[in-house]
Amino acid sequence: NAGVTQTPKFQVLKTGQSMTLQCAQDMNHEYMSWYRQDPGMGLRLIHYSVGAGITDQGEVPNGYNVSRSTTEDFPLRLLSAAPSQTSVYFCASSRTGTSGGTYEQYFGPGTRLTVT
Amino acid sequence: GQQVMQIPQYQHVQEGEDFTTYCNSSTTLSNIQWYKQRPGGHPVFLIQLVKSGEVKKQKRLTFQFGEAKKNSSLHITATQTTDVGTYFCAGPSRGKLIFGQGTELSVKP
Repeated sequence: NAGVTQTPKFQVLKTGQSMTLQCAQDMNHEYMSWYRQDPGMGLRLIHYSVGAGITDQGEVPNGYNVSRSTTEDFPLRLLSAAPSQTSVYFCASSRTGTSGGTYEQYFGPGTRLTVT
Repeated sequence: GQQVMQIPQYQHVQEGEDFTTYCNSSTTLSNIQWYKQRPGGHPVFLIQLVKSGEVKKQKRLTFQFGEAKKNSSLHITATQTTDVGTYFCAGPSRGKLIFGQGTELSVKP
């Protein structure tokens, strides 16, 4: 199993450009999520999904869109990049329990994004 | 919404000293998870605590879940340079997982 994969590993964008960060998992996990990590801010949840066709907002969703057309893939779209979106982005997945709670999260290697 | 606060933000220790990081939630948690992130790496799951007052050990690491299930701690005995990294706690909130800000541990040999 490859686990959770993310592409690209590094990206530089100009302000106003759009792009999609790719995330895929091969563990048949229902729950997938996107976090951004900034110094001193920890991991902040952007969007998450509890299954194909279902997405919801996290703590910092503005400026980002997601979709979940398959169980395996959960892409994150930056609509119009801004310097404030310079960050390290992590995708994660986990299985969910019958009550909806999440089990251990498996993280991808991350995408380091710089917006100039 | 639910908040998960973690202290301290940074901790610098001499190799061999002990280290503790604390996690506090504004609401009662059904469980709490702990992760470690090595410098330049991604977070890796360490453990999950579910029961009130639960204590679990992994070699030199001791994890505790408070009686009220609103706080937790991670204690490392006799730190080693391999313990360097950022330690995160995380709690579930309405079907999603919320992380604390993390404690960055540096160990001086």
